[in-house]
Amino acid sequence: DGGITQSPKYLFRKEGQNVTLSCEQNLNHDAMYWYRQDPGQGLRLIYYSQIVNDFQKGDIAEGYSVSREKKESFPLTVTSAQKNPTAFYLCASSDGTGGIGELFFGEGSRLTVL
Amino acid sequence: AQSVTQLDSQVPVFEEAPVELRCNYSSSVSVYLFWYVQYPNQGLQLLLKYLSGSTLVKGINGFEAEFNKSQTSFHLRKPSVHISDTAEYFCAVSDVRSGGSNYKLTFGKGTLLTVNP
Repeated sequence: DGGITQSPKYLFRKEGQNVTLSCEQNLNHDAMYWYRQDPGQGLRLIYYSQIVNDFQKGDIAEGYSVSREKKESFPLTVTSAQKNPTAFYLCASSDGTGGIGELFFGEGSRLTVL
Repeated sequence: AQSVTQLDSQVPVFEEAPVELRCNYSSSVSVYLFWYVQYPNQGLQLLLKYLSGSTLVKGINGFEAEFNKSQTSFHLRKPSVHISDTAEYFCAVSDVRSGGSNYKLTFGKGTLLTVNP
């Protein structure tokens, strides 16, 4: 089945450590996105990529980094510079020629900093 | 820039009762409007969207929403809810000038719908 796979589902990290969240899609979508979700805050865009080897900062990019070396993959690194990294992270993709506003989401990765 | 306000953070209802989840938006230009649903510990799924045309939009799982330009609202309704509708619902907006660029979607803070037996 086509879809978006995020891993790991749960991740614990000590302060000062970098962690990388994986996002893989087999929908052949050009665009991919990373969102952060905090209780009562809705979704906030961290980074997005509309094409391989190109990505742009979203609203809250500080303390995060990404790469887009393959169409299928868009990993997110939460660096030690991110002051409050505990959150639920959602990866999404969309077809540039398809439905407006139609994002396809993975099941998320929950990061807890101890 | 556009913004979205979901007026209720939580809405408890009994099974088989009707429900309305309220969403208001602010934008200086024409907008596209969306409702997404998030079941516990999962990603979001598109319920329905308004791009143009009929102001009453029907979506999946028996939900519908009505676009009201004069009141800048896009409320979500269902005539009879089920336990399985328990989830968080997000309203989202993007402006028409963006040409539908999905990275310009602005999400509301969500409304948690809890359906009780």
